[in-house]
Amino acid sequence: GAVVSQHPSWVICKSGTSVKIECRSLDFQATTMFWYRQFPKQSLMLMATSNEGSKATYEQGVEKDKFLINHASLTLSTLTVTSAHPEDSSFYICSETSGRANEQFFGPGTRLTVL
Amino acid sequence: GIQVEQSPPDLILQEGANSTLRCNFSDSVNNLQWFHQNPWGQLINLFYIPSGTKQNGRLSATTVATERYSLLYISSSQTTDSGVYFCAVTKAAGNKLTFGGGTRVLVKP
Repeated sequence: GAVVSQHPSWVICKSGTSVKIECRSLDFQATTMFWYRQFPKQSLMLMATSNEGSKATYEQGVEKDKFLINHASLTLSTLTVTSAHPEDSSFYICSETSGRANEQFFGPGTRLTVL
Repeated sequence: GIQVEQSPPDLILQEGANSTLRCNFSDSVNNLQWFHQNPWGQLINLFYIPSGTKQNGRLSATTVATERYSLLYISSSQTTDSGVYFCAVTKAAGNKLTFGGGTRVLVKP
């Protein structure tokens, strides 16, 4: 299956700062990548679909100006949490499709804590 | 949107026991995947199974697409099987995964 990396694996920041999370496809050219958020003891919720060379598509209720997504190359998508607040503290996970009928493979996740 | 329900929400097993996890979904799907989330949060792909039956070691899965459910079987459970098992589906003609609520499994030695 596809191999996906994320960086950083964890980050602690102060309220009001911005944090950038990278998602890399290591063995596949991913035209589409996905960003999810997972709160403690809850399931994964899709935040947005990241499309290479075009604007991301955000799910209902996700603020596009707060969660900036850039997919400038076929192997890299970034999620920037702008003006982070404690309620943004969560586990952020990206995924890509292998190209085989939408099977998705996930990165290891980034744990964000906003103080 | 499509609804995905998993049962049971929690499961405690004695090492060596067998178990069945269920995933019900509310609409036609073109993708169904089972994942195991380990204690560090990594989602591990178990099965890509929009229909039919597959086996991988002590794990097997069956999806009956016409009746909108899938089952994950764990046989001879081990403590390393502990974690959360998620079912996720993609609606027909779509590419977004919708996750169920998960089944939290604890295997005791």
